[in-house]
Amino acid sequence: EAGVTQFPSHSVIEKGQTVTLRCDPISGHDNLYWYRRVMGKEIKFLLHFVKESKQDESGMPNNRFLAERTGGTYSTLKVQPAELEDSGVYFCASSHSTGYNYEQYFGPGTRLTVT
Amino acid sequence: LAKTTQPISMDSYEGQEVNITCSHNNIATNDYITWYQQFPSQGPRFIIQGYKTKVTNEVASLFIPADRKSSTLSLPRVSLSDTAVYYCLVGLSMNRDDKIIFGKGTRLHILP
Repeated sequence: EAGVTQFPSHSVIEKGQTVTLRCDPISGHDNLYWYRRVMGKEIKFLLHFVKESKQDESGMPNNRFLAERTGGTYSTLKVQPAELEDSGVYFCASSHSTGYNYEQYFGPGTRLTVT
Repeated sequence: LAKTTQPISMDSYEGQEVNITCSHNNIATNDYITWYQQFPSQGPRFIIQGYKTKVTNEVASLFIPADRKSSTLSLPRVSLSDTAVYYCLVGLSMNRDDKIIFGKGTRLHILP
């Protein structure tokens, strides 16, 4: 079974530019989450999709961030325009909606550097 | 969500058993205790989850005393590859929609 994949693995952009991160969850996982870790800080929750619907977007820092999940499959996270403080590692995770054990499966992350 | 306290870092040697204790004095009745592991340049990975007493899987054991105000993650016979950050999480119930709130974790360094 393929794991959660994220693209790109690393992105370097200038302040003011736009970047789009992509996450492909494990097939069949209805839940998809975005998290990020900015320099020196803890991993923070951004938002949660259930299929194509946003279940919880309380962690989105501001309206420069836009997340979508077309057809309940892959998800994109767009940052427009990017600011210096957006630099960090962005993780995507997915999980089942049913079953006994709780477990979120994380991707390797996308390292975003804004210069 | 219950606040957790765990050591910032620990060192150990290959072949030893490592125990990481997490305090969670304000744990609620419905809260589960979950541990994640994160290797450098990777996303966190689920290790183990428990509610009370002892849980064991192929990776680790989780010991939870009767009052559930603390828990201990036990890694048997560690190797260099067990060097990672270990996160203790409390508050995740059987509700599969819960987001994860990460703390600082324990940075475990295994020495040869």
